[in-house]
Amino acid sequence: EVQLVQSGAEVKKSGESLKISCRGSGYNFPTYWIAWVRQKPGEGLEWMGIIYPRDSDTRYSPSFQGQVTISADKSTSSVYLEWSSLKASDTGMYFCASPGVMGSTPGALDFWGQGTMVTVSS
Amino acid sequence: VLTQSPAILSLSQGERATLSCKASQTVNSNYLAWYQQKSGQAPRLLVYGITTRATGVPDRFRGGGSGTDFTLTISSLEPEDYAVYYCQHYDHSPRYTFGQGTKLDI
Repeated sequence: EVQLVQSGAEVKKSGESLKISCRGSGYNFPTYWIAWVRQKPGEGLEWMGIIYPRDSDTRYSPSFQGQVTISADKSTSSVYLEWSSLKASDTGMYFCASPGVMGSTPGALDFWGQGTMVTVSS
Repeated sequence: VLTQSPAILSLSQGERATLSCKASQTVNSNYLAWYQQKSGQAPRLLVYGITTRATGVPDRFRGGGSGTDFTLTISSLEPEDYAVYYCQHYDHSPRYTFGQGTKLDI
């Protein structure tokens, strides 16, 4: 069974650092890109960036370049999303998702993690 | 940029729903997808490649369109179809762009 399991909810203060995770199983993890998507409370979906775990090739949305770091660890089949200094505006639900794992195309995110809620207080 | 309309669509069970997604530039390689998101859940892929339904998606959902104008049609609304729907485009950067969503309401 294909799974993307994300780490649990986080409550942090402005200025703190944070690293959340997404662990894949049930498929050939290193060979499928994994994306991060943000959803602020009551708002829509925003693509943040994507990583290819096999070689850690990473691409960022211009809106998130320099604001977060995406990384991968093949040995644990995990990808990470990291902030060095959180802001209140980073509050939201963060989803990992993978294109093509369920047989669609690279253009469609066909499998999603359950989401990690990040709350940042000022 | 993807612009979805209407922002809110209020329809009754059994009615036909037509959701629109307009791209600011021509969509190449048919990389246009639709997602359904219910409250408190992760999005679910419904349609990819403009017209192909994802595994397990009922055939009352139909994607269509070309160029810059795309639609998702739900032929006869069921109670479980009330949700927010997003269109999404992909280019080979790779980069994924979402529309702002259409809420399908009773």
